[in-house]
Amino acid sequence: EPEVTQTPSHQVTQMGQEVILRCVPISNHLYFYWYRQILGQKVEFLVSFYNNEISEKSEIFDDQFSVERPDGSNFTLKIRSTKLEDSAMYFCASRDRGFEQYFGPGTRLTVT
Amino acid sequence: GENVEQHPSTLSVQEGDSAVIKCTYSDSASNYFPWYKQELGKGPQLIIDIRSNVGEKKDQRIAVTLNKTAKHFSLHITETQPEDSAVYFCAANFRGYQKVTFGTGTKLQVIP
Repeated sequence: EPEVTQTPSHQVTQMGQEVILRCVPISNHLYFYWYRQILGQKVEFLVSFYNNEISEKSEIFDDQFSVERPDGSNFTLKIRSTKLEDSAMYFCASRDRGFEQYFGPGTRLTVT
Repeated sequence: GENVEQHPSTLSVQEGDSAVIKCTYSDSASNYFPWYKQELGKGPQLIIDIRSNVGEKKDQRIAVTLNKTAKHFSLHITETQPEDSAVYFCAANFRGYQKVTFGTGTKLQVIP
């Protein structure tokens, strides 16, 4: 069964450094998402992406964040200058024309 | 803004008993209500969903009910098994196909 994959599974970085989180959505899906989950809290929406542009973003997704689909398979989230409060699990999700969003296993980002 | 409330936050049941998790949502325009199961260290896994034109949906031991008038929806798990132990999130889709807003989660423990 096709699934969303994410790399790395765990990323440790120092405050102020740039990180890129990578996702490979399900191959025939058209809509792509990033969510985050701070430890012990609920999953929060960051951004949605369709047709090579951002279609919606939350107030969390400020100028330090960017997304890109550099080729036909990858979808990336970049954080330019990480802060301690960026430490969280980051989940990528994708869907086709239906309603259902399918989530990847997540990347645990630890900012020290 | 959009808000999804979920309760209880924790739930312990004996194996074989039923478990019920309840959610309320704020935006009457929402039309899609997925439920996700999250096991430790993994991403949310879609287990069942319901659309606003349906009042109830069942899939083996799992059922979901929706009361649009009251803006309530619930997850029912019958004949619980130890492998049902996880965190369950309700969610609602607002304004069409973009972000999914998650509830706060219910940690279900099934005691053998």
